Amino acid sequence: DTEVTQTPKHLVMGMTNKKSLKCEQHMGHRAMYWYKQKAKKPPELMFVYSYEKLSINESVPSRFSPECPNSSLLNLHLHALQPEDSALYLCASSYPGQGNEKLFFGSGTQLSVL
Amino acid sequence: AQKITQTQPGMFVQEKEAVTLDCTYDTSDPSYGLFWYKQPSSGEMIFLIYQGSYDQQNATEGRYSLNFQKARKSANLVISASQLGDSAMYFCAMRALQGGSEKLVFGKGTKLTVNP
Repeated sequence: DTEVTQTPKHLVMGMTNKKSLKCEQHMGHRAMYWYKQKAKKPPELMFVYSYEKLSINESVPSRFSPECPNSSLLNLHLHALQPEDSALYLCASSYPGQGNEKLFFGSGTQLSVL
Repeated sequence: AQKITQTQPGMFVQEKEAVTLDCTYDTSDPSYGLFWYKQPSSGEMIFLIYQGSYDQQNATEGRYSLNFQKARKSANLVISASQLGDSAMYFCAMRALQGGSEKLVFGKGTKLTVNP
């Protein structure tokens, strides 16, 4: 199994809603990532978890709350989002500490905030 | 800090021809890794090829090859025998260390269109 699975594929939410994005991998990877990608732009790193501990937070607003319940799962909890948060949210995983290891990406969640 | 520069916003190529996508990078680390990813309109990021800074030979993966010129800090992707399915965004990326963890830093990307 060489897949990173993200759910849902599409999400529409209002600015007062609370929702969660989910990411799952069964490759034994111990590093997991959240990236945000606006249209026609490169992915921008949001968070990195290494061995289930948050290791990088790229100054992301607190309305985005990551969670890594175990080595296979990564969640992104969303609350009180703004319309400018509409984007493709990509999850990725890799073996940590091995610089030649590629990141495996999921197909993303397309989020629209109304 | 690491930086990736892709200067070609868009490229066009005829089917079955070869195309080169440019990538230059900047880093002060003696050890680094360079990656190319393909992103079709469906959104998923697909790994294509990797080049390590100490690799003696240019990386190749099927129709993809990486023209690595260390002194010029360039890592251009060459796609041979282009196919219609190669139409996509292509991102060059570099591994960067931060706080003991690793991340990928991406260039702005090049949109490749393969014409029949």
